[in-house]
Amino acid sequence: GAVVSQHPSRVICKSGTSVKIECRSLDFQATTMFWYRQFPKQSLMLMATSNEGSKATYEQGVEKDKFLINHASLTLSTLTVTSAHPEDSSFYICSARGEGPHSYEQYFGPGTRLTVT
Amino acid sequence: QKEVEQDPGPLSVPEGAIVSLNCTYSNSAFQYFMWYRQYSRKGPELLMYTYSSGNKEDGRFTAQVDKSSKYISLFIRDSQPSDSATYLCAMSGYGNNRLAFGKGNQVVVIP
Repeated sequence: GAVVSQHPSRVICKSGTSVKIECRSLDFQATTMFWYRQFPKQSLMLMATSNEGSKATYEQGVEKDKFLINHASLTLSTLTVTSAHPEDSSFYICSARGEGPHSYEQYFGPGTRLTVT
Repeated sequence: QKEVEQDPGPLSVPEGAIVSLNCTYSNSAFQYFMWYRQYSRKGPELLMYTYSSGNKEDGRFTAQVDKSSKYISLFIRDSQPSDSATYLCAMSGYGNNRLAFGKGNQVVVIP
């Protein structure tokens, strides 16, 4: 149980284009989803927290107009990187937190590797 | 002082040895403690989850939490080459969404 999927697993895009990454909780309802960014050999950096049906809460220094987050249902959150630039190239990982026995555990997706050329 | 301190290693051990990992933290409000395993280019996988102080065992893995010392540990018995990965500690407070992560500790189990 507690499986989180991400799509796509990797994407290459040209500078100036937008990229959408999907995060789904497959076998539980995720009241809260999180988006992280990870640079090579570094820990996870929280970008934003989203609760179903409400606006995301962004961490300090994260541009909300650049990283658009939508949490439209209890099983799906999307991150859109708008007008991507090479410095946005990174490993993006989502996680989901549910209710009941999953309420304090976060389950991570497999990650999406974004390369902006 | 960072909220969570974890020595990034790397740590190399021979197959069959016990791997010992630990994290210290400064926020006394932390109540929930987790260990994640992350293979290269993959998302973190939840290994162990502990609430408050105490020990928890799951197969070859044992997690310990000492809240009085603000110190948590993960032990891996009979280590296998497949245990080679980065191990991240993470923790959060009651009613708090956010996880505070350690930097991660790279473990290499040599056959």
